[in-house]
Amino acid sequence: DTEVTQTPKHLVMGMTNKKSLKCEQHMGHRAMYWYKQKAKKPPELMFVYSYEKLSINESVPSRFSPECPNSSLLNLHLHALQPEDSALYLCASSRRTGQNQPQHFGDGTRLSIL
Amino acid sequence: DQQVKQNSPSLSVQEGRISILNCDYTNSMFDYFLWYKKYPAEGPTFLISISSIKDKNEDGRFTVFLNKSAKHLSLHIVPSQPGDSAVYFCAARTTSGTYKYIFGTGTRLKVLA
Repeated sequence: DTEVTQTPKHLVMGMTNKKSLKCEQHMGHRAMYWYKQKAKKPPELMFVYSYEKLSINESVPSRFSPECPNSSLLNLHLHALQPEDSALYLCASSRRTGQNQPQHFGDGTRLSIL
Repeated sequence: DQQVKQNSPSLSVQEGRISILNCDYTNSMFDYFLWYKKYPAEGPTFLISISSIKDKNEDGRFTVFLNKSAKHLSLHIVPSQPGDSAVYFCAARTTSGTYKYIFGTGTRLKVLA
């Protein structure tokens, strides 16, 4: 069982919809991450939160809006997405951003944009 | 520009033999390297890591080797088991200003029984 839980596992939405992806961890980690993974490609970093503050935004379009309401939760709010945004969205956490500690990943949300 | 490369998209190995997965990188600012395993419909699972101050790290059947002069990383699995069949990603962390993890493109390992 993964220690990082992502919901929903699958999401189909239209281009005008608003939806949110959720991620939760209870390992006491203070760094949390969003990645996007397309088929046969490596995970690509989108956002990094450190101690609930956004520390890295990899020039992600504003139709993706992250939120870290507390140290255990990370959300990704979606609005007006494009078909090319269809991908697997992975959440990860690690103890701290600067330590030599691995990231722990959830199983992802597979997102399809119609 | 792909800073972390896994040039072999796939690898087949007989059960009980050694599997060697390779990874090359270009950024000399990487200081921490990791290997992840990914099964279908699951997220990547951490396997083993190595700091740039070391050249080898072992954990059970898994050994990671780092050759900094060649900017080359390898993962040895011995003996290979059918349950090791998965996609393996190497990843590297940069410390140039921010702590970012860059992933390689992955190698699909198939261990034949």
